[in-house]
Amino acid sequence: KNQVEQSPQSLIILEGKNCTLQCNYTVSPFSNLRWYKQDTGRGPVSLTIMTFSENTKSNGRYTATLDADTKQSSLHITASQLSDSASYICVVSAGTKNRDDKIIFGKGTRLHILP
Amino acid sequence: NAGVTQTPKFRVLKTGQSMTLLCAQDMNHEYMYWYRQDPGMGLRLIHYSVGEGTTAKGEVPDGYNVSRLKKQNFLLGLESAAPSQTSVYFCASSSKTSRYEQYFGPGTRLTVT
Repeated sequence: KNQVEQSPQSLIILEGKNCTLQCNYTVSPFSNLRWYKQDTGRGPVSLTIMTFSENTKSNGRYTATLDADTKQSSLHITASQLSDSASYICVVSAGTKNRDDKIIFGKGTRLHILP
Repeated sequence: NAGVTQTPKFRVLKTGQSMTLLCAQDMNHEYMYWYRQDPGMGLRLIHYSVGEGTTAKGEVPDGYNVSRLKKQNFLLGLESAAPSQTSVYFCASSSKTSRYEQYFGPGTRLTVT
């Protein structure tokens, strides 16, 4: 069964600190993995997208890693800011070519940054 | 360039009433999607469309209908609303060449009493 599991469910850290969010998946055949940021009351916004051959991708203070062998990804946030408070969603796509392409969403990690 | 817009932003319905949610995108994307997001659950695909005039069922299609009469618009209809359809609904779009790069709208919060 195609699944995407994220941990932790929620996380509280102080402003300026670093943190790492985890994503484990059992999606096959794997096509790509994305991390989205969703602010409260808004739609998700893409942070990074990684394919099978990519191990690391950065977007400012956000760095995503992918280990296709262990089917794990992490999102590292450096020097957190209050505006980083949001839900972070891991999304994995199955690499089929027909119309039933699978896009599986994780439940997200809720991150709270305290001043 | 507004991206993906949704109307309305909020709506309260009584059980049995009907309504239509409108999604519009100005990026000339071929693919459009409707999702629902419930507390403690990931986004779930309701219906999607790979082009004007075509629609397909997603993971949770029951109780919903869709139409894609114009490329830029994707409508989600509830014919007879039920309390179980209380949710936040998101529309998304993507291009044919990069179909996994989805752009989301701001969402519609629907409450069915």
